[in-house]
Amino acid sequence: GENVEQHPSTLSVQEGDSAVIKCTYSDSASNYFPWYKQELGKRPQLIIDIRSNVGEKKDQRIAVTLNKTAKHFSLHITETQPEDSAVYFCAAGSPETNFGNEKLTFGTGTRLTIIP
Amino acid sequence: NAGVTQTPKFQVLKTGQSMTLQCAQDMNHEYMSWYRQDPGMGLRLIHYSVGAGITDQGEVPNGYNVSRSTTEDFPLRLLSAAPSQTSVYFCASSQTRGSGTQYFGPGTRLTVL
Repeated sequence: GENVEQHPSTLSVQEGDSAVIKCTYSDSASNYFPWYKQELGKRPQLIIDIRSNVGEKKDQRIAVTLNKTAKHFSLHITETQPEDSAVYFCAAGSPETNFGNEKLTFGTGTRLTIIP
Repeated sequence: NAGVTQTPKFQVLKTGQSMTLQCAQDMNHEYMSWYRQDPGMGLRLIHYSVGAGITDQGEVPNGYNVSRSTTEDFPLRLLSAAPSQTSVYFCASSQTRGSGTQYFGPGTRLTVL
């Protein structure tokens, strides 16, 4: 099955600086790569996603890049703010043969702390 | 819309007890799933369903049962609770068959003594 590795596990960044979180995946058939943000005690929420036919996607201060050849994708947050402090999870969606669905395999998370 | 709801929010069980975690969504989503979240291990898929009457196993299905009799509800049953099942459980739903945006419920924190 799919295996997703996420680094770093913790990241501290000065407010206003950029943060980068990287993930690698093992299944070359994976074609969907979402990123979720989870604030303390809350549910995970989708912040951005990318499909395998796109190399980069931006949404205001966040962006995701995908390198299918190397099987890795990254989350970039620019001009970080205190409200960006949270745990971020990457995931890879690989085709599920039983019903034609894609199942998500999550990384182990990165705890991002923005230092004021 | 309430989105995805879960009950209870917190639960303490003794080893060997059984219980059902409830999950409901009012978005008419076909795809529903259950995850468990443990420190340092991310979210791991337990079971999922692609529609009423259709369920399948995820990554860590042992000790759990599911059924999907309606589009709205997807309960997770613990047959005989074990301390290893202490975790936070999230239910999620998705509009599309496949990996469209997954909407998570608020979670259930379960402790098994």
